[in-house]
Amino acid sequence: FELTQPPSVSVSPGQTASIACSGDKLGDKNACWYQQKPGQSPILVIYENNKRPSGIPERFSGSNSGNTATLTISGTQAMDEADYYCQAWDTGTLVFGGGTKLTVL
Amino acid sequence: VQLVESGGGLVQPGASLRLSCAASGFTFSDYWMHWVRQAPGKGLVWVSRIRSDGSSTTYADSVRGRFIISRDNAKNTLYLQMNSLRAEDTAVYFCAKDDYASSWGQGTLVTVSS
Repeated sequence: FELTQPPSVSVSPGQTASIACSGDKLGDKNACWYQQKPGQSPILVIYENNKRPSGIPERFSGSNSGNTATLTISGTQAMDEADYYCQAWDTGTLVFGGGTKLTVL
Repeated sequence: VQLVESGGGLVQPGASLRLSCAASGFTFSDYWMHWVRQAPGKGLVWVSRIRSDGSSTTYADSVRGRFIISRDNAKNTLYLQMNSLRAEDTAVYFCAKDDYASSWGQGTLVTVSS
């Protein structure tokens, strides 16, 4: 089971960024998303497809259907520039996508 | 929640190393725990997980038979015993809490090189 993400996504400040994650029948699983800034540990930003942990801004949202999970950042800010990883469980193992570098320019 | 990894370092191929992850701020014995690694400049790769009571463990194919995950709930500590280390095991190793990996430590760097 593999999760595929685009290597990079660019967005202008204030616009909406969408990062896709594809995998076979991914919509049948629960997807999570993590944000990682350079030199820092990952932070969970979305779990169970569309839930936000405490402290994560409302501009972060998620969806998951068919073969694709999507992380959406509305009103993207410069502080959102980071690497983003999707994750899902498959047969008792945790699988990460390859990561997407979000550039805010 | 606080997770603090330790035990990383520079070792030669074939050597062993034991990583520790000290947990605080939550009831450690209630949660599954994981090890995840990240090679320099690369993405996140799941390594292993252990059930809250230590009765069940799972490993990635790349480390099965060489790495052993364990925990001491009395000491609130997670371990990763790494044997027969290879150059490709070089990475920052993170411990993470629960099946959402909702909290992560700062990581400890393991470098395998001659």
